[in-house]
Amino acid sequence: AQSVAQPEDQVNVAEGNPLTVKCTYSVSGNPYLFWYVQYPNRGLQFLLKYITGDNLVKGSYGFEAEFNKSQTSFHLKKPSALVSDSALYFCAGAPASGGSQGNLIFGKGTKLSVKP
Amino acid sequence: DAGVTQSPTHLIKTRGQQVTLRCSPKSGHDTVSWYQQALGQGPQFIFQYYEEEERQRGNFPDRFSGHQFPNYSSELNVNALLLGDSALYLCASRAGSSRTGELFFGEGSRLTVL
Repeated sequence: AQSVAQPEDQVNVAEGNPLTVKCTYSVSGNPYLFWYVQYPNRGLQFLLKYITGDNLVKGSYGFEAEFNKSQTSFHLKKPSALVSDSALYFCAGAPASGGSQGNLIFGKGTKLSVKP
Repeated sequence: DAGVTQSPTHLIKTRGQQVTLRCSPKSGHDTVSWYQQALGQGPQFIFQYYEEEERQRGNFPDRFSGHQFPNYSSELNVNALLLGDSALYLCASRAGSSRTGELFFGEGSRLTVL
């Protein structure tokens, strides 16, 4: 079965420090990978995606992610965390081909807490 | 430009009842997907509609059904509600059937089943 895993339920970071939110995937073929953020009582907002090409993808609000095929990972990073980055982050993937029509498989989410 | 809009935002039902949730996709989008997000979990794919037909379905029972209208809006119907159906139901849209386009999500309908 195809899956996306986020091994950390929560990540705590001090404001101004770099942050990493981890994601690994088990998706057939060359996957499409996405990061979304969810603020309390809100829907999901798109941050960035990897489709093909450069393994380092830059997205909204200063976030970036690195696709690593050998480690089947797609970790989300930011050089300097802000308190306002505190939210729930979801990694998602979809097979590039086959019958799934690109519908996303989500991880369980990682709660990011940035302290002043 | 209005994004994805969903209604109602909150609702409470009792076991055995039926519920209908509604979604209007982002302007220019014609593909609508529905996801169920249980508390503390990631969203799980229910089904996708394109050109008024169900194109793909996740691992959900037949109690979950849907519809897409000619204006691309969509409904999610759940019959014979169970306590376990309590969740945030998210509607997402994108343009066409391209796998590479990101999904735009609504803020969800929070269903509580008592």
